[in-house]
Amino acid sequence: EDQVTQSPEALRLQEGESSSLNCSYTVSGLRGLFWYRQDPGKGPEFLFTLYSAGEEKEKERLKATLTKKESFLHITAPKPEDSATYLCAVQPRQGKLTFGTGTRLQVTL
Amino acid sequence: DTAVSQTPKYLVTQMGNDKSIKCEQNLGHDTMYWYKQDSKKFLKIMFSYNNKELIINETVPNRFSPKSPDKAHLNLHINSLELGDSAVYFCASTSLFGDPRGTQYFGPGTRLLVL
Repeated sequence: EDQVTQSPEALRLQEGESSSLNCSYTVSGLRGLFWYRQDPGKGPEFLFTLYSAGEEKEKERLKATLTKKESFLHITAPKPEDSATYLCAVQPRQGKLTFGTGTRLQVTL
Repeated sequence: DTAVSQTPKYLVTQMGNDKSIKCEQNLGHDTMYWYKQDSKKFLKIMFSYNNKELIINETVPNRFSPKSPDKAHLNLHINSLELGDSAVYFCASTSLFGDPRGTQYFGPGTRLLVL
């Protein structure tokens, strides 16, 4: 069965303090790995799709990378507005999307 | 402008009641989903419809019945509500054959509280 494990469970950063979130996965034939951002009381907001090992995607202060076993979401010089829960999910070629339990990020001034 | 919309946003009801949640997407997608997010924020798929046909049906009590009148709509009817049904329910959609990665887009959620 497909599995997604995210770490850490929670992360507190000061504004400007860069860090990385980890997503380890096992999947029977990867169709896509997804990163979503979820704010309290809202639905998951799509950030990135990755497919090939070595692939990288960037958006503002976020950069997502992919290997055959894990993905990292790097946050460079975060701001308080980056505070949210970041969810990782894997989509196999056949079957359903499987989510990790997320990393709750808090960025303080 | 909203891509995936759900109604109602909040639903508070008594145990034993029957309720429905509605979802609509204007993205032109062919596949829609219902997810349940529990108190620990874990998202788990319940159902999926492709062109009005049920394609994923996870281990969900028979009290939950999805209905898709057309490609753009997916409703969820819940009979005999129980305390454990309290959760946030999300609708999502994708273009299963148009998007090689199958990126799913989520609605804002329906917060269900059963008293």
